[in-house]
Amino acid sequence: SYELTQPPAVSVSPGQTARITCSGDGLAKLYTYWYQQRPGQAPVTVIYKDKERPPGIPERFSGSSSGKRATLTISGVQTEDEADYFCQSSDTADSHRGWVFGGGTKLTVL
Amino acid sequence: EVQLVESGGGLVQPGGSLRLSCAASGFAFSGSAVNWVRRAPGKGLEWVGHIRSKTNNYATLFGASVKGRFSISRDDSKNTAYLQMTSLKIEDTAVYYCMSATTAWGRGTLVTVSS
Repeated sequence: SYELTQPPAVSVSPGQTARITCSGDGLAKLYTYWYQQRPGQAPVTVIYKDKERPPGIPERFSGSSSGKRATLTISGVQTEDEADYFCQSSDTADSHRGWVFGGGTKLTVL
Repeated sequence: EVQLVESGGGLVQPGGSLRLSCAASGFAFSGSAVNWVRRAPGKGLEWVGHIRSKTNNYATLFGASVKGRFSISRDDSKNTAYLQMTSLKIEDTAVYYCMSATTAWGRGTLVTVSS
């Protein structure tokens, strides 16, 4: 089954751009989803199907995917963006697929 | 407004059972798959399993760590999905979330497995 790899931590200053990567063999043919989870809160979907943004998610959140790597970009980072971020895709290219998560990236806004 | 509300969590002894519920509103629940995801203390998100819609024969699939111990069902007339957990282990301690409608998450319910 496929695995997803994320950097454990990313640090940026307010107003800068944060980029969080997610690598995996399956990403070349499967969608990537991104979730934000602040301490003590439920996850929130910030990007689905590689680059789509759900209603209510700020435009500073964007997603892209190329080959075996997907990237979540947060432009003009704000202090409220400090959270854990998880990428997710499918664990197989079969018609009935389970999910797989990356290990998560802790975004620190300095 | 799309809403998912989990319930049924609590303290259970190792080897015990528990059933979680996920009540949905604000979207076409019967046509949507429902995923269960958990987060254990100090760990990342882990996919538990899912149930597909009637169109997809209510097919279920589970993560390796819970396969054979957990089951998922749904009652579309009540807009509710269920996670039945048996033979619970200490390592099943986590906040359990349901997820549906492509992007919606519930607030979660805490399951603690301890003697």
